[in-house]
Parts: sequence; C-alpha cells; structure tokens
Amino acid sequence: AQTVTQSQPEMSVQEAETVTLSCTYDTSESDYYLFWYKQPPSRQMILVIRQEAYKQQNATENRFSVNFQKAAKSFSLKISDSQLGDAAMYFCASSETSGSRLTFGEGTQLTVNP
Amino acid sequence: KAGVTQTPRYLIKTRGQQVTLSCSPISGHRSVSWYQQTPGQGLQFLFEYFSETQRNKGNFPGRFSGRQFSNSRSEMNVSTLELGDSALYLCASSFRQINTGELFFGEGSRLTVL
Repeated sequence: AQTVTQSQPEMSVQEAETVTLSCTYDTSESDYYLFWYKQPPSRQMILVIRQEAYKQQNATENRFSVNFQKAAKSFSLKISDSQLGDAAMYFCASSETSGSRLTFGEGTQLTVNP
Repeated sequence: KAGVTQTPRYLIKTRGQQVTLSCSPISGHRSVSWYQQTPGQGLQFLFEYFSETQRNKGNFPGRFSGRQFSNSRSEMNVSTLELGDSALYLCASSFRQINTGELFFGEGSRLTVL
C-alpha cells in the first residue's frame, strides 16, 4: 500500500514570489508515478505536474517544477512567479504503474496575496 | 472536446435512502474512476472501471457499488445512506489502460445526507 503525507495544511505567498509545497510518500513498489493536482475553489481538479519514479530528472512545467528525492521519498512542488490564479488546494498523489488507483495526500491550501 | 460531466451536481438525501450518481467521461476515454472527498478523510479511492469491468476497488462497504456501460458512462450507487456518506464524489476518466495518472476530473456531485 502507498501512503502520501502533506505536512503543510496551509501556505501563503506573495504574488510574483516563489513557494514550495512539501510532500513525502511511502511505497513498496519499485516503479510508480508521483503527481501534483490542483483543485481551485468549486472547480475541477487538474493535473499540474507528473514525475515518473524511474526518471532522475526533475519534471518541469512552465512555472511549476518538482524536487524529487527518491531515496528520501520526498516530492516537493515549487511554484515560481506566483499568480493569483494559483490559489487553490494542492494535492500530492502517487500511483503504482501496475495499479489503477491514486493515493492522495491531505492537501495544502495555497493562498496568493496581491 | 467536452470534459467529464457529472450529474447531479448537488443533491440532498435522508438517512436510509439510496442515491445514484452519473459520470460521462471524455469522449474516447475508457477508464472511469470514482473518489470520495471529505474534510476528514480527504480523497479516497472508491473503484475504477475499464471497458465495463471493475479493475480495482477501494476499502468501502458493500453499500457502495458502481458499473460502467458500453459507452463508457459510469454510475455509482450508495444504498442505505448514512450521515457519514455526505461528501463530494469525484469522477475521473483517462484514456490509457495503464495508469499513468493523467486523470481528468469532473466537478463532482456533492451529496448531503440528513
């Protein structure tokens, strides 16, 4: 079984600044995926970024990047040049490549201050 | 391309009743997953269907059931509703059979049990 832990229930950042959201996970699988999903208020959840565990290189998607530390089972999300539209609940999640379910963390509520 | 559509968006039921929620995936997507989201338990996997077959099931009682039709539309049913079943029920679809985590979520059906 996989577990995902997000230790920051809430975070805030000033517009245009950088913020890092933390996530740790545990899995017995050798091959798995890690994700960050964003859930804006009253809107559907969308995939922000994905990391395949076998890849050493950290994933990047525009202003979003991850710091994947496989040995430490850590998977943090960095948001650069924060925008008001980044305000949302962010969920860290994992999946087994052989499975069909996502295991989510508790979520981090991000507030972006103008 | 239309997104994942869930109906109804909001509903109120009383204890002991049953409810059916519907999910229409993105056209061409054959995998549909269901998740329950509550403030206390977070996001929990209910089940996943691919080509009308249940591939995986979460740790929920038998009162929770689902099915998928030949057009990939899915329904989930909760019988003998309890107060604790109040939640946002999210449906997600994906194209691939192998779980790469690229799930597309609907806006959810918010169920309130009185």
